[in-house]
Amino acid sequence: GIQVEQSPPDLILQEGANSTLRCNFSDSVNNLQWFHQNPWGQLINLFYIPSGTKQNGRLSATTVATERYSLLYISSSQTTDSGVYFCAVMTNFGNEKLTFGTGTRLTIIP
Amino acid sequence: AAGVIQSPRHLIKEKRETATLKCYPIPRHDTVYWYQQGPGQDPQFLISFYEKMQSDKGSIPDRFSAQQFSDYHSELNMSSLELGDSALYFCASRLNYLTGELFFGEGSRLTVL
Repeated sequence: GIQVEQSPPDLILQEGANSTLRCNFSDSVNNLQWFHQNPWGQLINLFYIPSGTKQNGRLSATTVATERYSLLYISSSQTTDSGVYFCAVMTNFGNEKLTFGTGTRLTIIP
Repeated sequence: AAGVIQSPRHLIKEKRETATLKCYPIPRHDTVYWYQQGPGQDPQFLISFYEKMQSDKGSIPDRFSAQQFSDYHSELNMSSLELGDSALYFCASRLNYLTGELFFGEGSRLTVL
């Protein structure tokens, strides 16, 4: 099956800092989503971005499908940004389920 | 806007007992997915349904079964529970089987003692 790798696995930043999270995937995809899992376990949809660039407030994401990677940018980090960020993909080959990466754990220190 | 509703949110069971989780997809969504997330792990796909028929199956134990009903809600039945079944169980729905994003519910946390 498709492999999804996220980096870095852990990231500790001071409040106000910017960060870039990366997601590499091993095959062509027709769906890519970024999620934030908060400390209570809720999976929050951040972006549906199989290709191109999107922005939502302090967050933005870019997917370069031909090169099989996606980036999530977080600017001016706040403590509420802490949690685990997952990238999840769905392939083009009738395998219609999201496969999650192993996540990046982000900790924002006040 | 309506979201995916899961119940119960928390469930505590003893080993060898049975548990049933329910999922109500977003209205007009015809595809439902179940995921299991163990402690410190990423969510793992269990099973999916499209128009009340099973569409794909992942690493779901034989002790687990699921179905989608005529009103599109889905239930995950887990029998002979083991300690390792303790996890967060997510349900997600999608408007269309072939395209679009998945929307996840808040999860059901199962603890097996």
